[in-house]
Amino acid sequence: GNSVTQMEGPVTLSEEAFLTINCTYTATGYPSLFWYVQYPGEGLQLLLKATKADDKGSNKGFEATYRKETTSFHLEKGSVQVSDSAVYFCALSDVQTGANNLFFGTGTRLTVIP
Amino acid sequence: NAGVTQTPKFRVLKTGQSMTLLCAQDMNHEYMYWYRQDPGMGLRLIHYSVGEGTTAKGEVPDGYNVSRLKKQNFLLGLESAAPSQTSVYFCASMSHRDNQPQHFGDGTRLSIL
Repeated sequence: GNSVTQMEGPVTLSEEAFLTINCTYTATGYPSLFWYVQYPGEGLQLLLKATKADDKGSNKGFEATYRKETTSFHLEKGSVQVSDSAVYFCALSDVQTGANNLFFGTGTRLTVIP
Repeated sequence: NAGVTQTPKFRVLKTGQSMTLLCAQDMNHEYMYWYRQDPGMGLRLIHYSVGEGTTAKGEVPDGYNVSRLKKQNFLLGLESAAPSQTSVYFCASMSHRDNQPQHFGDGTRLSIL
């Protein structure tokens, strides 16, 4: 079956620190992988995605590389800002259902302090 | 663009009451989804639809019904609300084209007493 395991939080960092949030997955086929971000009181927004092995997704200084050999999609940012405080969700897309259903990790809450 | 709009934003129900949550999207997307979000469990898929007039069960469908009478709307119904259905509900829509992201509404916070 499909599942996503992501690093438990919460994570608290000082501004300009380096961020890594680990994500590993189990899938029956060749899924697409996503990171979504949820700011307080809002819905989820796509942060970045990768659709095949060795692809690197990037956006707003965040990066993640699709590693098929380690079934991982770790999120990284070199220098976090206070405005990056949010909950981050790793997800995979199950193309076999024909509706690209998403399977989510449990989310990691990041707090960045000045 | 409004994107995905959910109504209501908040609601408190008593056990046994019924209600319908409405999701509307203006992006002409074929696929629509209902999720629930609970602490420590991420988002779980309740039901989804691949087009007008079609629906299918997701991971946690029990106690919910859905309808997609119009392409732009996806309704989630609770026939007899239970405290275990206290949650935040999110609707999403997506184009049928390959590798497109899902677009989410801002959520409905539902409390059942």
